[in-house]
Amino acid sequence: EIVLTQSPGTLSLSPGERATLSCRASQSVSSSYLAWYQQKPGQAPRLLIYGASSRATGFPDRFSGSGSGTDFSLTISRLEPEDSAVYYCQQYRTFGQGTKVEIK
Amino acid sequence: EVQLVESGGGLIQPGGSLRLSCAASGFTVSSNYMSWVRQAPGKGLEWVSVFYSGGSTYYADSVKGRFTISRDNSKNTLYLQMNSLRAEDTAVYYCARDKYSGYDFYGMDVWGQGTTVTVSS
Repeated sequence: EIVLTQSPGTLSLSPGERATLSCRASQSVSSSYLAWYQQKPGQAPRLLIYGASSRATGFPDRFSGSGSGTDFSLTISRLEPEDSAVYYCQQYRTFGQGTKVEIK
Repeated sequence: EVQLVESGGGLIQPGGSLRLSCAASGFTVSSNYMSWVRQAPGKGLEWVSVFYSGGSTYYADSVKGRFTISRDNSKNTLYLQMNSLRAEDTAVYYCARDKYSGYDFYGMDVWGQGTTVTVSS
């Protein structure tokens, strides 16, 4: 069974800063199956990145995904206040525990 | 508009049963892989079950033998029958559409708003 470990647990940054979120798999996984979600309080998750690096509809290009094998990352190049959320990675039927992004 | 709307959640005693519904609009449930995902209070996401377009069904070990996923093509609706409920089944339950390109799983691209299940005496 694959385990996804996300780090850090919480990221507190100022608007305009760069955020880098990590998702590490316990064994090598297919990049095609690696997705990221954004979840704001009281809302359903929203697909953000699929296939490790393809951005889903509706998200600006300051969101980007990369990685392969066991190490994947989500980068938000210039944080906006509305990016405050919990971000989850997913590999097929397994989710990471999430990273909370707080905007100072 | 592509949309999923869940219903059927509520407060139920341990050992009880509940059936959740997920009504789809804007697309056909039977032509897609459809999943249930849950989120316990203050916790992360947990995949629960999937219904493949071809009819196969799969479950997380935590619910296997207790939960049953089904669909009604005439109503374009997905269901989750939950039996022998436990306190640890307390969660918001979301239905979601799996996004595929060929055999590649590209995440879940449509989600409902969720329905809350509370298992407590």
